[in-house]
This record gives sequence, C-alpha cells and structure tokens, in this order.
Amino acid sequence: GQQVMQIPQYQHVQEGEDFTTYCNSSTTLSNIQWYKQRPGGHPVFLIQLVKSGEVKKQKRLTFQFGEAKKNSSLHITATQTTDVGTYFCAGRETGNQFYFGTGTSLTVIP
Amino acid sequence: EAGVAQSPRYKIIEKRQSVAFWCNPISGHATLYWYQQILGQGPKLLIQFQNNGVVDDSQLPKDRFSAERLKGVDSTLKIQPAKLEDSAVYLCASSLDGATGYGYTFGSGTRLTVV
Repeated sequence: GQQVMQIPQYQHVQEGEDFTTYCNSSTTLSNIQWYKQRPGGHPVFLIQLVKSGEVKKQKRLTFQFGEAKKNSSLHITATQTTDVGTYFCAGRETGNQFYFGTGTSLTVIP
Repeated sequence: EAGVAQSPRYKIIEKRQSVAFWCNPISGHATLYWYQQILGQGPKLLIQFQNNGVVDDSQLPKDRFSAERLKGVDSTLKIQPAKLEDSAVYLCASSLDGATGYGYTFGSGTRLTVV
C-alpha cells in the first residue's frame, strides 16, 4: 500500500532560522496537500500541489512538488514562534484517499 | 462559514464499553471523513462518505467500529466494544468533493481514552 514518510521527525530551530521538512512517497502521486497542526489542535489545510515541479509560496512558506511527483518539501524562511506545530503532508494516488505522512514536529526557540 | 462540529470533545470509558462520536460537516460539503490519530502519528483514514454512501472503509475495523451518515449530512462513528488501543483522537473532516482533491476542513476532534 501507499506509504508517505516525512523527515525529520523532530526539528528544533532558533527563531529566525530556516526550516525544511521533506515528504517522500513510495508511489507516484497525483497530488499532495500540506497541513499544519498546532499542539493540542487539529490539522489545518495549507496548500495543494498538483503539477510536476510545481512551486507555490505563502508568505514565508515555500512548497515544492518533485519532478517525479514522489516527493515534496515545505520550507519556512526566518521561523517565528507562531510557526510551532507539526507539519503533515498528505499524498493521493489515483483514488479519493489522501494518505497522511508521519509528520515533522517543529519547535522554535525564542 | 461555520466549521466542522464534533462532540464530545473528550471521552473516557472503560474497555469493553461502547462509545459514539458525532460530526456535523460544513454545509454543502459532500464528502465526509473519519480519521483516527494516535498520539505522535499522522491521521489515519477510517471511513470516507460521499453524500450518504461509503466510498472507502478498507481501514475500518468492522468487527468493532461502525459509522453512518444519514441523509448525507451528520455522521456518527461508534466503537463497540472499545479496546485500550482505541485510545486516540477521532477527527472528522469534510471537503467539497473528495474526487477533485479539495483541502479537508477538520473538526476539533474527540479525544478518547480507554482505561
């Protein structure tokens, strides 16, 4: 079955440093979504990527979909304490279901 | 717009007891999902409804879990009997149309503790 792995599992950064999380799928994906879950909260949809090599930006967040559509990354520039949380990717093959990754927990040290 | 409503927020039960969770999706969202999120893991899909029909329940432990979505709106998820390993947050999510990959809107979840 489809598996979506994320690295790293945990990341501690000083406020102002950059942060990147990587998402890797065992199969080719039709599209991928990214979610943020604050401690004690629920996942909140950030963005969806569909095209091979697609790059999208949301303020300090840059999302990229790999050329082979098997990997993706989320990069945060100049982290802030409000960026704290767990970032999940969720990939879909051809069916309806999105498989969530294992998540990367980000801690920002003031 | 109103978000996805779930109740209760917390539930503590003894093993072998039964429990039910309720979800009211965003108005107009045809697709409804129930996810199980064990502490430290990503959400795992239990069941997906399109209107009031089941699209995918391949990961639902059908010997103890059941779900329904009457009239294509509200949904309930039931566990009977509960086991210790069912302790998790149960998240309900909805989307406009699951087939086209709209982002999911999650509810706040129900945190279940089985003792």
